[in-house]
Amino acid sequence: AQSVSQHNHHVILSEAASLELGCNYSYGGTVNLFWYVQYPGQHLQLLLKYFSGDPLVKGIKGFEAEFIKSKFSFNLRKPSVQWSDTAEYFCAVILSGAGSYQLTFGKGTKLSVIP
Amino acid sequence: NAGVTQTPKFQVLKTGQSMTLQCAQDMNHEYMSWYRQDPGMGLRLIHYSVGAGITDQGEVPNGYNVSRSTTEDFPLRLLSAAPSQTSVYFCASSYSTAHGFNSPLHFGNGTRLTVT
Repeated sequence: AQSVSQHNHHVILSEAASLELGCNYSYGGTVNLFWYVQYPGQHLQLLLKYFSGDPLVKGIKGFEAEFIKSKFSFNLRKPSVQWSDTAEYFCAVILSGAGSYQLTFGKGTKLSVIP
Repeated sequence: NAGVTQTPKFQVLKTGQSMTLQCAQDMNHEYMSWYRQDPGMGLRLIHYSVGAGITDQGEVPNGYNVSRSTTEDFPLRLLSAAPSQTSVYFCASSYSTAHGFNSPLHFGNGTRLTVT
């Protein structure tokens, strides 16, 4: 079965620390990949996406992610986190191509940034 | 510029009651979907639709019905509410094409449902 794994349930960092959140997927084909963020009490918002091309993708608010096909990974990074980055982060994957309409989310990683 | 609108924001039901969660979008998106979000479980797809008159089941469809009579609306019906359906429900929409789904989802603000 297709699945998405996020390695960390809860990450606690001090401001200015670097961030890397892991995401691995198990799909047997070409995929489209997303990272979404959910701030407390809000709905999910898109951080960045990968469909094809350069495997290093830059998103909003200084976030970036690298698609490593050989490792089935799409890790999210930020060089220096801020208190305002406190949120829950979700990786999502979908098979690319006709007839594929089921986007699968990971269970999420909660990030707490301490001022 | 409303985007995806969900109503109600909060709802409390007794076991066995039925209700409909409303979702409307004004972006002319073909694709609409319903997710439930539970702590530690992430988001799980309940039902989705790729256009008016077309619906399909997701990962956790039992206990829920949907219909898509117009492009704009995609209501989710709970037939006989159970405590296991206590959750936060999100409606999401996107563009999709005959070549598949390759656009980001736009989410509504969610409906927090409690079943006692």
